[in-house]
Amino acid sequence: GIQVEQSPPDLILQEGANSTLRCNFSDSVNNLQWFHQNPWGQLINLFYIPSGTKQNGRLSATTVATERYSLLYISSSQTTDSGVYFCAVERGAQKLVFGQGTRLTINP
Amino acid sequence: DVKVTQSSRYLVKRTGEKVFLECVQDMDHENMFWYRQDPGLGLRLIYFSYDVKMKEKGDIPEGYSVSREKKERFSLILESASTNQTSMYLCASRRGGSYEQYFGPGTRLTVT
Repeated sequence: GIQVEQSPPDLILQEGANSTLRCNFSDSVNNLQWFHQNPWGQLINLFYIPSGTKQNGRLSATTVATERYSLLYISSSQTTDSGVYFCAVERGAQKLVFGQGTRLTINP
Repeated sequence: DVKVTQSSRYLVKRTGEKVFLECVQDMDHENMFWYRQDPGLGLRLIYFSYDVKMKEKGDIPEGYSVSREKKERFSLILESASTNQTSMYLCASRRGGSYEQYFGPGTRLTVT
């Protein structure tokens, strides 16, 4: 089956810093989503981005489908950005496959 | 806004008990999913359902069953709970033909 690898596994930054999270996947996909899991466990959709670039406030994402990777950018980090960021992909069959996540800690 | 709710945030059960985890969505979504989340393993799909009374096994169905009698409700059943089923359980729903998936708040189950 399709493999999803996220890097780095952990990232610790000071408030105000910028960060880049990476997601590599092993096969072509028709769906790629980024999620943020807050410290209470709730997963929130950030982006549906099988290709191209999208921006939402301080967050943006780029997927280069031909090279099988996606990047999530967080600018001017805030403590509320802390949590785990998951990339998930789908290749038909309506089943998302999740990466292991990047745990982001933003210190004040 | 899509709302997915789960019956409990925290649950403690004993080995051998039958456990029911309930999930309800209010947006008439056709597809519903149950995942478990364990440290270092990300989210793994247990079962999913694409219609009432329809179900398909995910990647780790052993030890679990599901029930979907109504469109808005999808139940996960642990027939005889074991300690290795201690985990965070997450329910999700998705409209048919759409890619975006919405999650409930999760149930942290501890089996002692």
